[in-house]
Amino acid sequence: EVQLVQSGAEVKKPGESLKISCKGSGYSFTRHWIGWVRQMPGKGLEWMGFIYPGDSDTRYSPSFQGQVIISADNSINTAYLQWSSLKASDTAMYYCAREELLPSAHLGDWGQGTLVTVSS
Amino acid sequence: EIVMTQSPATLSVSPGERATLSCRASQSVGSDLAWYRQKYGQAPRLIIYSASTRAAGIPARFSGSGSRTEFTLTISSLQSEDFAVYYCQQYNDWPRTFGQGTKVEIK
Repeated sequence: EVQLVQSGAEVKKPGESLKISCKGSGYSFTRHWIGWVRQMPGKGLEWMGFIYPGDSDTRYSPSFQGQVIISADNSINTAYLQWSSLKASDTAMYYCAREELLPSAHLGDWGQGTLVTVSS
Repeated sequence: EIVMTQSPATLSVSPGERATLSCRASQSVGSDLAWYRQKYGQAPRLIIYSASTRAAGIPARFSGSGSRTEFTLTISSLQSEDFAVYYCQQYNDWPRTFGQGTKVEIK
């Protein structure tokens, strides 16, 4: 059974750094794109970016390029999303998700979500 | 990037009735289109992929159709658990993109 287990909720102040995680199990971690989807309070889903752990190829949405860094540690089957300087507007639920293998790269599995609150 | 536009924003339907949701892509995505259902307070769940293939465990009342730029999700007889927000997503090109969502509410 595929599982994506995310790290717990975070409360941070503006300007602080943060790294949240998503641990995959039940599948070959290096063979599937894995990444992050943002959902701001009361809003829709926004695709942020994904990484292919097999070769670290990373694709970002233009809206998030330069704002966050997505990485992966294959030794522990974990993907990360990090910020160097949080803003209040980063307050959101962040979901990790895994793409299925081609020919259909839909998001077949999702993590439970990590709530990030940024407030002074 | 490919812009996905869903309509309507909100759909009011009585239990047992049919719901038809639309999704339009700004350029052709072939059949690389998925639908997700998100219940309140939960993570999204895959409903349909490849425009018309039901995901594992999804009941037959859900059907998807369309190709290239026009897609439809039909729920033939709404059950209580179907009142939720539905998102379409294209995975034909990078960056992947979602529609803004359609909320299906009880009439």
